[in-house]
Amino acid sequence: NAGVTQTPKFQVLKTGQSMTLQCAQDMNHNSMYWYRQDPGMGLRLIYYSASEGTTDKGEVPNGYNVSRLNKREFSLRLESAAPSQTSVYFCATGIQPQHFGDGTRLSIL
Amino acid sequence: RKEVEQDPGPFNVPEGATVAFNCTYSNSASQSFFWYRQDCRKEPKLLMSVYSSGNEDGRFTAQLNRASQYISLLIRDSKLSDSATYLCAVNGGNDYKLSFGAGTTVTVRA
Repeated sequence: NAGVTQTPKFQVLKTGQSMTLQCAQDMNHNSMYWYRQDPGMGLRLIYYSASEGTTDKGEVPNGYNVSRLNKREFSLRLESAAPSQTSVYFCATGIQPQHFGDGTRLSIL
Repeated sequence: RKEVEQDPGPFNVPEGATVAFNCTYSNSASQSFFWYRQDCRKEPKLLMSVYSSGNEDGRFTAQLNRASQYISLLIRDSKLSDSATYLCAVNGGNDYKLSFGAGTTVTVRA
């Protein structure tokens, strides 16, 4: 039982490149979330999805797009990466509490 | 004012000591409270929920003070393995989404 699986684990991009972070959960939850975590800032919500077919902006959505492909999968896309998007990205699922994937460490040069 | 605030620490304690720290929240309508543990460069993992009457899980005790709007975590008989960052999470009233604090770092030394 994997829980929440994120790919890739690590990625280095150049400014202006695009990429998609993948997240899949096998916990049968409706809700899924994308967070970023920066030193001293804690977890900040980028986007969330209450159920298949719905997505909503969180606290820091600028520069990101999401797709809730089905109940299991929720992807995060950076269309034109910027150095300010260098961070650790966590996907989560569930409602109170939430369960996290093991993160994607993204560096943008 | 941030929705959820924590003393970043670090709290450096010897093995066997007791350490306690708080997390304050701004939304008086919040109903759900959690403590997560995060090891260096790893994902947050649920440590325990916090109930109105307070609750224990082994060496860990969580308390809720609604009047002063904070939750607390107490670790008794600290172990080296308790060294981690502890994040509090609070929902926003009727909102099911959680807001997380930036974390309190605890280091237990031999």
